[in-house]
Amino acid sequence: GEDVEQSLFLSVREGDSSVINCTYTDSSSTYLYWYKQEPGAGLQLLTYIFSNMDMKQDQRLTVLLNKKDKHLSLRIADTQTGDSAIYFCAEKGLTGGGNKLTFGTGTQLKVEL
Amino acid sequence: DAMVIQNPRYQVTQFGKPVTLSCSQTLNHNVMYWYQQKSSQAPKLLFHYYDKDFNNEADTPDNFQSRRPNTSFCFLDIRSPGLGDAAMYLCATSRDEETQYFGPGTRLLVL
Repeated sequence: GEDVEQSLFLSVREGDSSVINCTYTDSSSTYLYWYKQEPGAGLQLLTYIFSNMDMKQDQRLTVLLNKKDKHLSLRIADTQTGDSAIYFCAEKGLTGGGNKLTFGTGTQLKVEL
Repeated sequence: DAMVIQNPRYQVTQFGKPVTLSCSQTLNHNVMYWYQQKSSQAPKLLFHYYDKDFNNEADTPDNFQSRRPNTSFCFLDIRSPGLGDAAMYLCATSRDEETQYFGPGTRLLVL
């Protein structure tokens, strides 16, 4: 089946930029998503990018997509302690039907003072 | 605010005792999903309803069932919960194949 990989942990200092990376295997991907999950909570949609785009910016968030390498990244500028959470990358493609999201394992972001 | 609501937020049940988790939405989305998320893992899709059509994932155990009596509500029934079914259960909704929006989740504990 399709696969989505993320590094497990990232630690940054408050005020620095964070970059969370994701790689995927589905060549039929149409949309790619970033969700944030705080402890004991559901998944909050942060942003998404259509597969024919290579960049999307939304306030402190910048998403970069390299479709050739199947690599997605999320950059958080001026990282704050409130950004500490698990970040899931997810891709939606035609494999398995158009409704199926394949999630990565999640990256735990820790923001230190 | 339009949203996805899950009740209860925490559910304790006994081994083998049937339990039902509920999800409702005010987004008027036609697709509703149930995911299981175990500790430190990614959410795993159990099944989804596309309008009234039920779509089960191939590896979802028979112990898990779902009902969708109307557009707004969807239920997850666990017929005989085992210790391995303790997890966070997430409901999500979407309009057709568009972006999925998640509820806050129900954490299930099996004693």
